[in-house]
Amino acid sequence: DQQVKQNSPSLSVQEGRISILNCDYTNSMFDYFLWYKKYPAEGPTFLISISSIKDKNEDGRFTVFLNKSAKHLSLHIVPSQPGDSAVYFCAASTYNNNDMRFGAGTRLTVKP
Amino acid sequence: KAGVTQTPRYLIKTRGQQVTLSCSPISGHRSVSWYQQTPGQGLQFLFEYFSETQRNKGNFPGRFSGRQFSNSRSEMNVSTLELGDSALYLCASSLALAGGGDTQYFGPGTRLTVL
Repeated sequence: DQQVKQNSPSLSVQEGRISILNCDYTNSMFDYFLWYKKYPAEGPTFLISISSIKDKNEDGRFTVFLNKSAKHLSLHIVPSQPGDSAVYFCAASTYNNNDMRFGAGTRLTVKP
Repeated sequence: KAGVTQTPRYLIKTRGQQVTLSCSPISGHRSVSWYQQTPGQGLQFLFEYFSETQRNKGNFPGRFSGRQFSNSRSEMNVSTLELGDSALYLCASSLALAGGGDTQYFGPGTRLTVL
């Protein structure tokens, strides 16, 4: 049961442009969302999070947007850099449930 | 502060065998979660341990089990291995329960290949 979906397995953008990674979820009980970045041969690293009481959270070049009515969140990277090339996972959980669900990941390639 | 460590990094087993993977969390972290990563499936939650107790379990068969020791180190065991168990197994640690919003820190993973 894939409660968190990342429908784009890959995305390619030019250096300096915006990267937009999308994530959809089905469980309306989810109230905390995270993005992780994963390089080959390394474990995922935490990037940015957002709770359901907010619709936007920004950290440097990274901004996460949450649309609760659409059960959709997105990660914007501006400007994109070649070092951002990695697999990005979105994750969701509820504060009352210890179970964190991940999407299948989107492989981002930023071309110089 | 040392990160999450997992041993071994690579493992090759044959069908029917059993395997034990080990995870040492960041010092002070009491929660350890285990995930299976396969191409196209993303990270699938196996289980989470906190203070030596399993707090939550994902949708995996009983062949997958785990435990946590008093020093928060955790082991995951898979019995009667199947070809489909070939995957990268990741563990993650956090100060408190991961689903409660606490950030998880992942180890590099153990790559298990079942022949």
